[in-house]
Amino acid sequence: GAGVSQSPSNKVTEKGKDVELRCDPISGHTALYWYRQSLGQGLEFLIYFQGNSAPDKSGLPSDRFSAERTGGSVSTLTIQRTQQEDSAVYLCASSLRPGSNYEQYFGPGTRLTVT
Amino acid sequence: KNEVEQSPQNLTAQEGEFITINCSYSVGISALHWLQQHPGGGIVSLFMLSSGKKKHGRLIATINIQEKHSSLHITASHPRDSAVYICAVRYNTDKLIFGTGTRLQVFP
Repeated sequence: GAGVSQSPSNKVTEKGKDVELRCDPISGHTALYWYRQSLGQGLEFLIYFQGNSAPDKSGLPSDRFSAERTGGSVSTLTIQRTQQEDSAVYLCASSLRPGSNYEQYFGPGTRLTVT
Repeated sequence: KNEVEQSPQNLTAQEGEFITINCSYSVGISALHWLQQHPGGGIVSLFMLSSGKKKHGRLIATINIQEKHSSLHITASHPRDSAVYICAVRYNTDKLIFGTGTRLQVFP
């Protein structure tokens, strides 16, 4: 079946502009996660959704970052007034349920470049 | 100090060699994941384990809960195994905490 999909695959934007990144989880997966991988850095957690609510948004680096999920499916990560340090690969993952018994399946990522 | 430590950071091997990548963490976890990331590619989950040992093809993952340590082994390594291998742990929350990764290159 279809895996996790993300769009766009690449995004180049000017500093100060807003961007929206989209994630389509695997159908039926209730848990959805956003991660970020900066150049030369490891992966870091941003936010997690269970259904449409976000029990843990502790990883969002600033109030310029926000995310929402609608219909228990598609999620959008929005970055306002982008800065060069926002350049990274943004990864989405989904799992059937939250909790350590369930594997996370990763999307291909969106490579964001802020010029 | 990263909560999840991996070693080595970089690893080169000749085709056919047995490879071990190590991961240590600092406090009790509910699960540990091994992930694979090919250059320019996405991330694939290899294993998720909370105790004991799992095997899939030429890959073996073990975890020692008491010692807070896990190893990923690759038997009969092949150039297509060249990738970054990432250890990630889950505590009593749903977010993953990632190690910095081990870059493996297998030469023919």
